[in-house]
Amino acid sequence: DTGVSQDPRHKITKRGQNVTFRCDPISEHNRLYWYRQTLGQGPEFLTYFQNEAQLEKSRLLSDRFSAERPKGSFSTLEIQRTEQGDSAMYLCASSVGHNSGANVLTFGAGSRLTVL
Amino acid sequence: AQKITQTQPGMFVQEKEAVTLDCTYDTSDPSYGLFWYKQPSSGEMIFLIYQGSYDQQNATEGRYSLNFQKARKSANLVISASQLGDSAMYFCAMRGPGGYQKVTFGTGTKLQVIP
Repeated sequence: DTGVSQDPRHKITKRGQNVTFRCDPISEHNRLYWYRQTLGQGPEFLTYFQNEAQLEKSRLLSDRFSAERPKGSFSTLEIQRTEQGDSAMYLCASSVGHNSGANVLTFGAGSRLTVL
Repeated sequence: AQKITQTQPGMFVQEKEAVTLDCTYDTSDPSYGLFWYKQPSSGEMIFLIYQGSYDQQNATEGRYSLNFQKARKSANLVISASQLGDSAMYFCAMRGPGGYQKVTFGTGTKLQVIP
């Protein structure tokens, strides 16, 4: 088990371009989360999946953001028409997904986005 | 709605001393979970400790303990015998009940350990 993998680790793009991030969770984890973290702040919840179902999406997420988890394994987060305010670290986390117990989130190293 | 509050933006502690990082939470659900994570300057989020709302005893993990006061809705992290490697951001987080597993984070406390 290699933990949660995120790709790319760094992305620099021009305003208006589209970007896509990929997350590969721990294989036996059925819950997957996306968070956004800006400098000096805590992770902000964006969305989460149980298997392939997207169960909640933050109101912070504009319609330029979309996330998928097509087969309940890896997930992608796409940002269309990027803006400078989208510059942040995008964190992916996964958890086992029992309805009781800790369900500790294991985080990936993050994908840092810089929009010029 | 879940809410986590960390009122200490930054803390200093002398090496080998104990330090308490504050966390209060707000929820109307009787079933919830509380976490503490550490984020060093390298950026990875490291799980430290977990407390379930129905757990009778305060959680402990090595030098970390969670001072859980349910009536006050507080879940303070106590780090004993601080080490230089404890210098990092610390985040308190809460997840909702049962099948509702959204995890909400506080704004964090930056801890600096002084030699």
